Amino acid sequence: GAVVSQHPSWVICKSGTSVKIECRSLDFQATTMFWYRQFPKQSLMLMATSNEGSKATYEQGVEKDKFLINHASLTLSTLTVTSAHPEDSSFYICSAPPLGYGYTFGSGTRLTVV
Amino acid sequence: GDSVTQMEGPVTLSEEAFLTINCTYTATGYPSLFWYVQYPGEGLQLLLKATKADDKGSNKGFEATYRKETTSFHLEKGSVQVSDSAVYFCALDSGAGSYQLTFGKGTKLSVIP
Repeated sequence: GAVVSQHPSWVICKSGTSVKIECRSLDFQATTMFWYRQFPKQSLMLMATSNEGSKATYEQGVEKDKFLINHASLTLSTLTVTSAHPEDSSFYICSAPPLGYGYTFGSGTRLTVV
Repeated sequence: GDSVTQMEGPVTLSEEAFLTINCTYTATGYPSLFWYVQYPGEGLQLLLKATKADDKGSNKGFEATYRKETTSFHLEKGSVQVSDSAVYFCALDSGAGSYQLTFGKGTKLSVIP
């Protein structure tokens, strides 16, 4: 089946620094990638949708200047958390749209900002 | 908007016990319903799905029936194993073509020998 590889699986960074999270579709092309965030004891919430060759679409309340999304190719989408602060600490996960057998998710990234 | 309400965890069961994780939803239109499972250190994996009322999804001994009258999609398994320990997410796709999933908060299941 389709595989989405997400890296890193966890990262700890200092407040004020930037962190890049990558999602690669390994055996298929993904023109779209969904980025979700999950705070402790909360649902996964859609943050934005990246589109290859065009600007990302952000959900209401998500700061586009803080969460930079780039869909560089048909197999790579990245999320960069800029000037990270402790309140950005969360679980981030990407998902490709459904193929014949359903949505494909990355393994997620646990970000801790100290 | 769409929403999914899932029973709070964590849930701890002994091996071979019966499992039920409740899930109810609110949606306009005719959503598809899903259960995803996340094992430690791994991504979300589709466990089962149902696309219309009265459909029953099943996989690996797990079952869930799409109940439109009660807007529910409860997950059940007759005899859990230690290897079923994971976080389970109920989710819906509104079917409007946006391919955006709405998730419940997840329920952590721990099965002890």
